[in-house]
Amino acid sequence: RKEVEQDPGPFNVPEGATVAFNCTYSNSASQSFFWYRQDCRKEPKLLMSVYSSGNEDGRFTAQLNRASQYISLLIRDSKLSDSATYLCVVNGDTGRRALTFGSGTRLQVQP
Amino acid sequence: GAVVSQHPSRVICKSGTSVKIECRSLDFQATTMFWYRQFPKQSLMLMATSNEGSKATYEQGVEKDKFLINHASLTLSTLTVTSAHPEDSSFYICSANQGARGTDTQYFGPGTRLTVL
Repeated sequence: RKEVEQDPGPFNVPEGATVAFNCTYSNSASQSFFWYRQDCRKEPKLLMSVYSSGNEDGRFTAQLNRASQYISLLIRDSKLSDSATYLCVVNGDTGRRALTFGSGTRLQVQP
Repeated sequence: GAVVSQHPSRVICKSGTSVKIECRSLDFQATTMFWYRQFPKQSLMLMATSNEGSKATYEQGVEKDKFLINHASLTLSTLTVTSAHPEDSSFYICSANQGARGTDTQYFGPGTRLTVL
């Protein structure tokens, strides 16, 4: 079983749509959770951290359910510029500090 | 946010040659840097953790004699792919933590695309 699992997609949605991505992680001792965005042939860029209380940044809302080991990302009012691969990322060991990446979910927003 | 640079951004080399990739933290000191590799349509996979002033910690399955890591200063880590072969062609990305805590954000370099002919 992969440490971090995501639906690879692609998710093809029209502009203005709301889209949700899900992610599960296997290490119950994981401490930190993130969503990164990766454009084609570029490095990942931090989109937002994910907290148990849920957090929102503009059109983006992230949720964490520690009991279910489940993370979600909701994008409202999709823009063409949101087209990218969204990576669910977990830091499982504060001592080690390396990140474990999901394989990513590809989003294509269409006009 | 913090800036991490990598050089070169792209390299094409012949099979059997060695390639050095540099990773620099430009506006902060990083006692630990990480090296990842990403094959097409796959996730980033951690190769090794680079510690300033000490030996790197390699992940299982990554040959330390093939992927030489040197973290000589608090702002520079280098990855040398020795005797490169076509199967080493990949996107190599480094990252660094800005802070000392495990939960601090990691900042990624722009990556180096290696093609071995």
